[in-house]
Amino acid sequence: AQSVTQLGSHVSVSEGALVLLRCNYSSSVPPYLFWYVQYPNQGLQLLLKYTSAATLVKGINGFEAEFKKSETSFHLTKPSAHMSDAAEYFCAVSLGGYSTLTFGKGTMLLVSP
Amino acid sequence: DVKVTQSSRYLVKRTGEKVFLECVQDMDHENMFWYRQDPGLGLRLIYFSYDVKMKEKGDIPEGYSVSREKKERFSLILESASTNQTSMYLCASRGTGATYEQYFGPGTRLTVT
Repeated sequence: AQSVTQLGSHVSVSEGALVLLRCNYSSSVPPYLFWYVQYPNQGLQLLLKYTSAATLVKGINGFEAEFKKSETSFHLTKPSAHMSDAAEYFCAVSLGGYSTLTFGKGTMLLVSP
Repeated sequence: DVKVTQSSRYLVKRTGEKVFLECVQDMDHENMFWYRQDPGLGLRLIYFSYDVKMKEKGDIPEGYSVSREKKERFSLILESASTNQTSMYLCASRGTGATYEQYFGPGTRLTVT
């Protein structure tokens, strides 16, 4: 079985500051890891994914995440926050094959001017 | 681009009514999923389907059923709606490629009064 823990239900940053959203996973086999973003009243949009190739993954809108097996982490970062980054972010894990996605509870990113 | 559409963005129903939520994808994906999303709980899997006429229970199937008569369409049915089924419902689809990401529809916000 797999699980995901997102540390912090809300994270506040100032515009231009570093964004760091934390995700730790539990998996019995090498996982596939994803970050999704959800803007208000919309569905989820894929930001980036780790599928056992490069451990540093670059996604859309300037976001990236690093897979660290020793720490079972897949934290999401962006060097400089924009107001438009304000949204809810979800980390998810899959074991591949017919496995389903397991989501974390989400982290709401608030960006202040 | 993958497109997943849901029949309604907002829906208001009365307790005891039978409710149908429809989802259609245009990418010939084999796998389709229904989630509900509640604040602080993230996304929870209700049912999923690997193929036409196939269905599997997710984590919270009680009070729900599904139908998949055609590959592109996956319906979620609330046999007798209750107030605790007020939620955001998200549909997703996924192909059989090796990367396992899911593509989401815009969601249906259901209110049961």
